[in-house]
Amino acid sequence: AQSVTQLGSHVSVSEGALVLLRCNYSSSVPPYLFWYVQYPNQGLQLLLKYTSAATLVKGINGFEAEFKKSETSFHLTKPSAHMSDAAEYFCAVSDMGGGNKLTFGTGTQLKVEL
Amino acid sequence: DAGVIQSPRHEVTEMGQEVTLRCKPISGHNSLFWYRQTMMRGLELLIYFNNNVPIDDSGMPEDRFSAKMPNASFSTLKIQPSEPRDSAVYFCASSRTVGYTFGSGTRLTVV
Repeated sequence: AQSVTQLGSHVSVSEGALVLLRCNYSSSVPPYLFWYVQYPNQGLQLLLKYTSAATLVKGINGFEAEFKKSETSFHLTKPSAHMSDAAEYFCAVSDMGGGNKLTFGTGTQLKVEL
Repeated sequence: DAGVIQSPRHEVTEMGQEVTLRCKPISGHNSLFWYRQTMMRGLELLIYFNNNVPIDDSGMPEDRFSAKMPNASFSTLKIQPSEPRDSAVYFCASSRTVGYTFGSGTRLTVV
């Protein structure tokens, strides 16, 4: 079975600082990988996805993620944090054998401080 | 594109009552997923459908939970009887290829 592990349930950065949210995956086959963001009292919104094309994936709101097979990682980054980035972020992996079923990580709460 | 539509947004019910949550997926999406989110357990997949057929319901916590998808544009998740531990946010999501689109969720409180 495929799985993802998000390191750090809470991350705090200063406004303008680099954002780095970590995600490692486990998969016996080439995975599809995703990052979702959840703002308070809202559903999850797709930030970006890796589907075996370019290893550096750019998403919305200035976020990007790099697929590194050798490290089984798919970390999410943003060069300069903004207060509006404060939210919970979920990494997910696709189970290609199960109708596109996604398995989610436990989430990382990002706090942005002035 | 109206997105995935869930109703109601909020539901407060008494223990023992029947609760029905509703979902309208995006037109043309052939997969539908029901998730439950709590602080303690995070996001849990309850059940998913492909082309209106239930594929995997192993995440449904117990027989009190049931889900149906009578057609491509509508699905329900029913809890009967409801219990306080069912209090959570329930999300519906739909998909056509890779990746989901989520609805805004139904916040269920069972008192």
